[in-house]
Order: sequence, then C-alpha cells, then structure tokens
Amino acid sequence: AQTVTQSQPEMSVQEAETVTLSCTYDTSESDYYLFWYKQPPSRQMILVIRQEAYKQQNATENRFSVNFQKAAKSFSLKISDSQLGDAAMYFCAYIGGSQGNLIFGKGTKLSVKP
Amino acid sequence: SAVISQKPSRDICQRGTSLTIQCQVDSQVTMMFWYRQQPGQSLTLIATANQGSEATYESGFVIDKFPISRPNLTFSTLTVSNMSPEDSSIYLCIASRGFWQFFGPGTRLTVL
Repeated sequence: AQTVTQSQPEMSVQEAETVTLSCTYDTSESDYYLFWYKQPPSRQMILVIRQEAYKQQNATENRFSVNFQKAAKSFSLKISDSQLGDAAMYFCAYIGGSQGNLIFGKGTKLSVKP
Repeated sequence: SAVISQKPSRDICQRGTSLTIQCQVDSQVTMMFWYRQQPGQSLTLIATANQGSEATYESGFVIDKFPISRPNLTFSTLTVSNMSPEDSSIYLCIASRGFWQFFGPGTRLTVL
C-alpha cells in the first residue's frame, strides 16, 4: 500500500527567510502525482503545487518550489521569502496512476515569525 | 475546475442521533470521496462514493455507521449514524476528474 510520511510535525521560519518541508512516500507504481496542500486555520484546503512523476523537472509556483527525488521517493517543499500569510498546516499528498483517492501525510504546522 | 458545496457547513448534534451531509459539485466529476479530519489531524478516507452502487469503505469504517449514497455524477450524501462524541470531526467531500482534485469546504460536526 502507498504511504506518505511527513516527519516534521511543526516548523518555524522567520519572515523573509526560506524554509523546507520534508515528505517521503512509498509506492510500487511508476505513474503518480504528488501534491502539497496548504490548510489555513479553519479554512479550505488550497493546492500549493503539484508534480507529475514522469517529469524530471521540479515544479515551481512563484515562491514555492519542490525538490522531487524519484529514486529516493522524496518530495520536499521549499518556501522562499516566507510571509506571515504562509502560516498554515501543509499536507503532502499522493495519488496513483489508477486515479484513486488522495493519500495524505500527517501534516506539518508552519509558523512564521515577524 | 469544479466548485463543491457542502451542507450543512457545521452542526451540533446530540449523541445517538444521525446527521446527513450533502455534497454537490457544479460539474461532472469522475470520482467522489468522503474524508474525516479529526481536530489537529490529517485527512482519513472513509469511503469512495460509487454512482448507482454501494460505496467502497476503508478499513475501520462500516456502512451501518456511515451510509453513503451517490445517485448521479454530481451529488453524494454521507450519513453519520448513532453519533457519539468521538464522531466530532470535520467531514470533507473531495471530487476528482483525472488527476485534478476538488475540495469541498467541509462540515464541522460537534457531538455532545
């Protein structure tokens, strides 16, 4: 069965600094997608970035980028120039090639210090 | 894209009662799922809502406790039956079309 592991329950970053959130996954599938979602307190889940497994190039969305290491089954999220609005729970998620359900990690709570 | 609405957005219920949560998508989707998110926790899949047939439940979740319907491609309901305080949680509808995922706003349930 596929699993997603986020080993950092909480992280903290100074405003304007850079932070990296870790995620590893386990799968035997060759075709899959990986996602980072942001969940602000009491608010709806927001897609931050997604990565197709067949693409070697790391996905980038403005201040957010990923380091996708397929062989190592690692998918970390880097947030550059952190802002107060980045404070939230961040979930790493996986979906396999059979287009089943999303599998979520346990989440990392990110705090941003002014 | 697709927009998902859920009703109710929140409710406070007495133990032993049942609550039905509705999930409506504004366009056709391939799959619909129901998740539970307990306070401070991650999202756990309850079941896949299958159109016109019985839902597919994950380990630890049973149809008698969480009956699910999906009469068409854009609508599904989840009932939380015979509630106890341990059922207090956010219940989330997620729909998919290909590899695109769409999230409902969630239903915050408190059981007293």
